[in-house]
Amino acid sequence: KAGVTQTPRYLIKTRGQQVTLSCSPISGHRSVSWYQQTPGQGLQFLFEYFSETQRNKGNFPGRFSGRQFSNSRSEMNVSTLELGDSALYLCASSPGRMNTEAFFGQGTRLTVV
Amino acid sequence: AQRVTQPEKLLSVFKGAPVELKCNYSYSGSPELFWYVQYSRQRLQLLLRHISRESIKGFTADLNKGETSFHLKKPFAQEEDSAMYYCALSAWGGSNYKLTFGKGTLLTVNP
Repeated sequence: KAGVTQTPRYLIKTRGQQVTLSCSPISGHRSVSWYQQTPGQGLQFLFEYFSETQRNKGNFPGRFSGRQFSNSRSEMNVSTLELGDSALYLCASSPGRMNTEAFFGQGTRLTVV
Repeated sequence: AQRVTQPEKLLSVFKGAPVELKCNYSYSGSPELFWYVQYSRQRLQLLLRHISRESIKGFTADLNKGETSFHLKKPFAQEEDSAMYYCALSAWGGSNYKLTFGKGTLLTVNP
């Protein structure tokens, strides 16, 4: 069974630009969550989508947005990039029930210069 | 709101020594607790969950509802245990279950 796939693996953008990250979940998983990972803050929850609907949202500004398609693939968009947005962005998929395991992708390393 | 606290950012032990990674949580209901591990250059993966009460790679974790803790323990640490460990809580987040992570503890096992 193929794992969670995130593309691209690495990105370098300049301040003010926007970026779109993609996540393909495990087949059959309807829940996709996004996290920002930094050395100082650890793993911070961005948002979660289930059946194309955003079900939960973390404390990030509106510049961070996402969506989920009918095939459960998800995209995350960050507009007006800031230096502080440099981080590893992780996507996780799961069947969506409470005590089920979340499977993580390798992440997209975003560097804003 | 749910919160997970891992008080130690760094933990260093010698091979063969016991290790305990602390995790405390706050949540008014009955949460599901997990430990995730991230080895160097590998993706984050589930280590164990409290509901299954199993021992994985010699690690165990007991949920203590009175102390709201879910500490991870191993009696004899191995060098291959060196990794980043995250405690996580799954609970109702308003419109769906939400997985909340602690900030992680970097465990280094020295030879």
